[in-house]
Amino acid sequence: AQKVTQAQTEISVVEKEDVTLDCVYETRDTTYYLFWYKQPPSGELVFLIRRNSFDEQNEISGRYSWNFQKSTSSFNFTITASQVVDSAVYFCALSEGMNYGGSQGNLIFGKGTKLSVKP
Amino acid sequence: SAVISQKPSRDICQRGTSLTIQCQVDSQVTMMFWYRQQPGQSLTLIATANQGSEATYESGFVIDKFPISRPNLTFSTLTVSNMSPEDSSIYLCSVRRNTEAFFGQGTRLTVV
Repeated sequence: AQKVTQAQTEISVVEKEDVTLDCVYETRDTTYYLFWYKQPPSGELVFLIRRNSFDEQNEISGRYSWNFQKSTSSFNFTITASQVVDSAVYFCALSEGMNYGGSQGNLIFGKGTKLSVKP
Repeated sequence: SAVISQKPSRDICQRGTSLTIQCQVDSQVTMMFWYRQQPGQSLTLIATANQGSEATYESGFVIDKFPISRPNLTFSTLTVSNMSPEDSSIYLCSVRRNTEAFFGQGTRLTVV
């Protein structure tokens, strides 16, 4: 069965520290998609990244980077030089589907990691 | 990118009443998804709404409590019926397009 595990419930860091949010997933499918979202206190979901199962290249976007390793079923998210504005709940999610390879189905979310960045 | 307009953005309702949440998408989509996020929790899928057929509900969610309408390919509603304080949550609609997943702004519901 599909599952997303974010073992870190809460993380607290001081501004400018680097922080890594872990995500481990389970799926039987060979084709699937992984996502990261940020949810600030206002409640809306802010899309950060989407990665398909055939693309294991790591990605960097400004202070954000993602490490996708199929061998360990992990899709970890690192924030470099964290800032107070990074404080939010971060969700990792998985999409799979026999017919569409995860391109059209619903997302399965991890429980989220609450990141607090203190000045 | 898809734009989803969801409303209301928030509401405070009396127990025993019902609230209907609307989602309008800027283009046609086959499936629309409704999620619930209870306070401090993750997002849980309530149901998948296809146009022209009954919604498919996930375990733990029933049509009498969460009736869904899908009259066309750009619009859907979710009703939270006979509300109790336990229904206080954020409700979000979502669509997929070109492998991306788009979410409405969410409806923050408080039941008193």
